[in-house]
Amino acid sequence: DTAVSQTPKYLVTQMGNDKSIKCEQNLGHDTMYWYKQDSKKFLKIMFSYNNKELIINETVPNRFSPKSPDKAHLNLHINSLELGDSAVYFCASRQVGTSGTGELFFGEGSRLTVL
Amino acid sequence: KQEVTQIPAALSVPEGENLVLNCSFTDSAIYNLQWFRQDPGKGLTSLLLIQSSQREQTSGRLNASLDKSSGRSTLYIAASQPGDSATYLCAVRRAAGNKLTFGGGTRVLVKP
Repeated sequence: DTAVSQTPKYLVTQMGNDKSIKCEQNLGHDTMYWYKQDSKKFLKIMFSYNNKELIINETVPNRFSPKSPDKAHLNLHINSLELGDSAVYFCASRQVGTSGTGELFFGEGSRLTVL
Repeated sequence: KQEVTQIPAALSVPEGENLVLNCSFTDSAIYNLQWFRQDPGKGLTSLLLIQSSQREQTSGRLNASLDKSSGRSTLYIAASQPGDSATYLCAVRRAAGNKLTFGGGTRVLVKP
């Protein structure tokens, strides 16, 4: 019973293609995130959704479009993939506010390779 | 803008030695600080979360301290084991709803 699960775990694709990564959490959290970890292992936030509403949108190209159908799901769609998009993408979730500790839980990551 | 630094970037110790991992941040107005462990090819596992009102948190062989005024946190791992080999990352949150800013991590190798 994985808390934060992402699919697919590995994705290899050609430049110019469009791809999606899905994320689901069963922790009952109200806030979900997408992080990008580059080849130097730095983790940077991309997006955050709270109760299906976008609350953080870092400087990310608009080829990246997150979608949250409900508060347990946050998907990431990437259009016109470029070589520089190759990275590991992590989904995470937490409960904001006094009803939770605010501790962040991560998925296992989705390794995207653009050829 | 919050910046989080972890030095050293890599550390190698013999089994049994205590580990001391450092994390420093530039803005002391933090909401909480979280330590994570990342194994190669895996996601991040939360180790300890320290709220801004706390000075330390303990879990088993792990102890994390927080000194907000000096912008530092230290993760101690007692009696290290080869299974402790991983990358350890610290991250700080500036306000309750705000994003987490990560350090670059310290890669630890515990030699048997």
